[in-house]
Amino acid sequence: GESVGLHLPTLSVQEGDNSIINCAYSNSASDYFIWYKQESGKGPQFIIDIRSNMDKRQGQRVTVLLNKTVKHLSLQIAATQPGDSAVYFCAESYQGGSEKLVFGKGTKLTVNP
Amino acid sequence: NAGVTQTPKFRVLKTGQSMTLLCAQDMNHEYMYWYRQDPGMGLRLIHYSVGEGTTAKGEVPDGYNVSRLKKQNFLLGLESAAPSQTSVYFCASRPVATDTQYFGPGTRLTVL
Repeated sequence: GESVGLHLPTLSVQEGDNSIINCAYSNSASDYFIWYKQESGKGPQFIIDIRSNMDKRQGQRVTVLLNKTVKHLSLQIAATQPGDSAVYFCAESYQGGSEKLVFGKGTKLTVNP
Repeated sequence: NAGVTQTPKFRVLKTGQSMTLLCAQDMNHEYMYWYRQDPGMGLRLIHYSVGEGTTAKGEVPDGYNVSRLKKQNFLLGLESAAPSQTSVYFCASRPVATDTQYFGPGTRLTVL
């Protein structure tokens, strides 16, 4: 079936380092991908998204890379800060998918001071 | 502009009891969603609505019902709560023009 998953359940980095969080997806028809950040006890917060007609998109300190050939998505966080500690989810959807997002299980990022 | 709000924030039920979770959004979004999140898992879609008066089943709809009588509100009902429904419930909404969903703060439900 269609699914979105993550390669690593946890990631620990030092403050100031760059973080890379990976995501694999299985539905080749997916045309929209999104990253959410979820802090403890809160709802998911939108970080950045990308459509399948793009390979890269940059935001403030974050970059999303999409490799459609291997169905891989990554989130890069530059100069990681303690406030970046959270669980990060990727999700996908596709035209004709009834406006539904399919979420991965999440990666917990811990930033050490 | 409060965004997406959920009521209540916490609730404890006994098996067999019923309750309704309320989601409200003030962004005039057409689409609304209910998800559940269990430990170590991502969000799973329960039901969703593409407009006032319409609802549809998601991935895990059994044991839940929903209603969208007003555009700004999306209600999730549990008719006879079971321990398996212990979870954190999130509501989300989005406009027609984008795929980005905006989430509420969640409701933590425990069924004993």
